[in-house]
Amino acid sequence: DTGVSQDPRHKITKRGQNVTFRCDPISEHNRLYWYRQTLGQGPEFLTYFQNEAQLEKSRLLSDRFSAERPKGSFSTLEIQRTEQGDSAMYLCASSLGLGKDTQYFGPGTRLTVL
Amino acid sequence: QKEVEQNSGPLSVPEGAIASLNCTYSDRVSQSFFWYRQYSGKSPELIMSIYSNGDKEDGRFTAQLNKASQYVSLLIRDSQPSDSATYLCAVNAAGFQKLVFGTGTRLLVSP
Repeated sequence: DTGVSQDPRHKITKRGQNVTFRCDPISEHNRLYWYRQTLGQGPEFLTYFQNEAQLEKSRLLSDRFSAERPKGSFSTLEIQRTEQGDSAMYLCASSLGLGKDTQYFGPGTRLTVL
Repeated sequence: QKEVEQNSGPLSVPEGAIASLNCTYSDRVSQSFFWYRQYSGKSPELIMSIYSNGDKEDGRFTAQLNKASQYVSLLIRDSQPSDSATYLCAVNAAGFQKLVFGTGTRLLVSP
């Protein structure tokens, strides 16, 4: 499977715990994006990387959230001191980064904070 | 005003009919437009992209863009029960990489 992969697919945690999600983009895709989707809403942009550089962050990304893409390949999204309001589907997408760019989504990580 | 607006539905059509899904956007500098399909509990799957005014056809799907009216639509011909899903409209503004999504329109195709 050469699509975007995410791990884990599901995560249940207790309030106050830290969680980390991983995303592996499509091979040779330079851009990697993180979105968050809650029930009944469309995905909301969190942040994106061009290779290893984090170029844009949403105001939704509080200081409890941090994302990295250290070698320009996979990315991690960490949420510290989780809150119940963090419960959502966290989606990763990647794109080639050329011309009329198209984003392809991974299967997502569903986070439940108890 | 929301940046990307869609009727949440559900839009109910019988099998074999044409389903018409609509989306309006507020940012005039938007230049790329996408339709994604999302089944319940799954992630968005790209259906169509459109960048120029007019129609773009791909199999049973036709995307229509009217930048003057800030309007983009998706037509699904010969609708099938397997088309039942939420259809997300997404817009990308010039100079920005993020996609701005609408809340999606739920489509129900009855056999």
